[in-house]
Amino acid sequence: QSALTQPASVSGSPGQSITISCTGTSSDIPSYNYVSWYQQHPGKAPRVIIFDVTQRPSGVSHRFSGSKSGNTASLTISGLQAEDEADYYCSSYTSTSTDIIFGGGTRLTVL
Amino acid sequence: QVQLQESGPGLVKPSETLSLTCTVSDGSMRGNYWSWIRQPPGKGLEYIGYMYFGGSTNYNAALKSRVTISIDATEKQFYLRLTSVTAADTAVYYCARLRFSYGPFDYWGQGTQVTVSS
Repeated sequence: QSALTQPASVSGSPGQSITISCTGTSSDIPSYNYVSWYQQHPGKAPRVIIFDVTQRPSGVSHRFSGSKSGNTASLTISGLQAEDEADYYCSSYTSTSTDIIFGGGTRLTVL
Repeated sequence: QVQLQESGPGLVKPSETLSLTCTVSDGSMRGNYWSWIRQPPGKGLEYIGYMYFGGSTNYNAALKSRVTISIDATEKQFYLRLTSVTAADTAVYYCARLRFSYGPFDYWGQGTQVTVSS
């Protein structure tokens, strides 16, 4: 099972909005509403910021939102802040023998 | 608030077995899925597998022939065993709670570096 496809990098200025895409296949993203997004700062463990496509865990800023259309899920960060600079990973449940798959990760740079 | 802590050798020789322990604090192991994820240096996250408290397991197909995850609920620990390691298994290994079999990974350990080298 190949990884979900994410852009290697995105960038934006403080206050702007950015969107990170995550593209899958018929075995995962379009078939289930079980897409999660994780934020990872350098040297730290990842933390979940979106689950079940659109749900935010308690304590996660409302500036983070998730959506899905067809075989692509998206993470949008509005009102970019310096602290948002990090790596972002999507994941999805799959119908293959491997239950969960990750994307390759996207590095967000806040200019 | 569930807390997870990985422990185990930081250096493993090629062809030997990597064994890690994850200790769970401030939470029950019942009703949850306990998992391992790894991250090679400079690369992305790779799902290794999980074990449900009730005993079912799921492993990454690419690693399935070499991986075993087990649980000792009385000790509040779960374990990763990866056999016949090579340099490609060098990574930071994370243990995590998987809320349901479909996600998300909602609590993570801090990670432990494992290097495969002679």
